[in-house]
Amino acid sequence: EDKVVQSPLSLVVHEGDTVTLNCSYEVTNFRSLLWYKQEKKAPTFLFMLTSSGIEKKSGRLSSILDKKELFSILNITATQTGDSAIYLCAAGAYSGAGSYQLTFGKGTKLSVIP
Amino acid sequence: DAGVIQSPRHEVTEMGQEVTLRCKPISGHDYLFWYRQTMMRGLELLIYFNNNVPIDDSGMPEDRFSAKMPNASFSTLKIQPSEPRDSAVYFCASSLLEMNTEAFFGQGTRLTVV
Repeated sequence: EDKVVQSPLSLVVHEGDTVTLNCSYEVTNFRSLLWYKQEKKAPTFLFMLTSSGIEKKSGRLSSILDKKELFSILNITATQTGDSAIYLCAAGAYSGAGSYQLTFGKGTKLSVIP
Repeated sequence: DAGVIQSPRHEVTEMGQEVTLRCKPISGHDYLFWYRQTMMRGLELLIYFNNNVPIDDSGMPEDRFSAKMPNASFSTLKIQPSEPRDSAVYFCASSLLEMNTEAFFGQGTRLTVV
């Protein structure tokens, strides 16, 4: 069974701190790794990674994928209270029946306090 | 485009009643996904459609759940009869391509079955 595990489950930091969120995956026919940010309602897309070792960056957020060790990290530097959210990691893969699916982790809840 | 639109935003119903959740995907997106999110299990894919045709419904929990997509701009997820354990947030998402692209999520329907 495909599995995505995120750690830590919950994290509380002060504004200005740097955080690293972890995502490990075990999926058959892996194709891509996606990160989403979920604040109050809908998850919103952050990054999609398909190649190992190539960092994707957007402002204070960056992410990288290691396909050999089957994990990805999401870094947030100089955190702000607006970064408080649940961060979801998802692994995209083709199932045995040929359909493409995203398997989500349970998320890391980040709380940034002033 | 207004994004993925779901209705209702909240639904409270009694056990045994039929519940219908609705989704309008982003125009031009060929893929539509229904997810369920709970604290215990996180985000789980229930079913997805490609060009209005169901591709993979292996995530549908049981026969009480059914989904349809009569045209490219509308989909429904029906639960009949509903049970308290169906209480969750149900998300609809759409994407342009199957893989290697982001899925855009609707705001979700919070279902409570009492």
